[in-house]
Amino acid sequence: EDQVTQSPEALRLQEGESSSLNCSYTVSGLRGLFWYRQDPGKGPEFLFTLYSAGEEKEKERLKATLTKKESFLHITAPKPEDSATYLCAALYGGSQGNLIFGKGTKLSVKP
Amino acid sequence: DVKVTQSSRYLVKRTGEKVFLECVQDMDHENMFWYRQDPGLGLRLIYFSYDVKMKEKGDIPEGYSVSREKKERFSLILESASTNQTSMYLCASSFHAGGLTTGTDTQYFGPGTRLTVL
Repeated sequence: EDQVTQSPEALRLQEGESSSLNCSYTVSGLRGLFWYRQDPGKGPEFLFTLYSAGEEKEKERLKATLTKKESFLHITAPKPEDSATYLCAALYGGSQGNLIFGKGTKLSVKP
Repeated sequence: DVKVTQSSRYLVKRTGEKVFLECVQDMDHENMFWYRQDPGLGLRLIYFSYDVKMKEKGDIPEGYSVSREKKERFSLILESASTNQTSMYLCASSFHAGGLTTGTDTQYFGPGTRLTVL
């Protein structure tokens, strides 16, 4: 069964305490792996797309990496404003493809 | 910047009412999507459209219909609202999921509509 699993479900960090969020996927023919940030009551905001194993992308304190089975979102020295739910999604299959979302990791960063 | 707008941020309706949720994108995207998001269930695809007047069922189409008369506008219709349709509704668009150019398959989301059915 095609699925995307994110762990942990929730993560509490102190400001400045670096950590990683995990997104493992089992899909046939991955075409892209997406990361989004979602604030409470708002729509997901696009962060990164990764297309092949070994690829890395960075934006401020965030770095996303991709292997053949999972993706990591590394957060370096987080600040309270990084608190949000982070979603990953895998695009797979032929033609227009199918996009399947994980259930997200809720990150809380305390000052 | 890609902009996806939704007609309402909050909506309260009564059981049995017909409800229209509208979504507009300004980037000339071919693909548009409607999702609902519920705690513990994540995002679930209701309907999508790859072209004007074209629609495809997603994972949970029951109780919903859609309309795409113009490329930039995609409407979600609840024919007879029920309490189990209380949810956050999210619209998204992408340029073209099957494109060879990287980045064309990224879905961009609107701000969401929080619908409550009483």
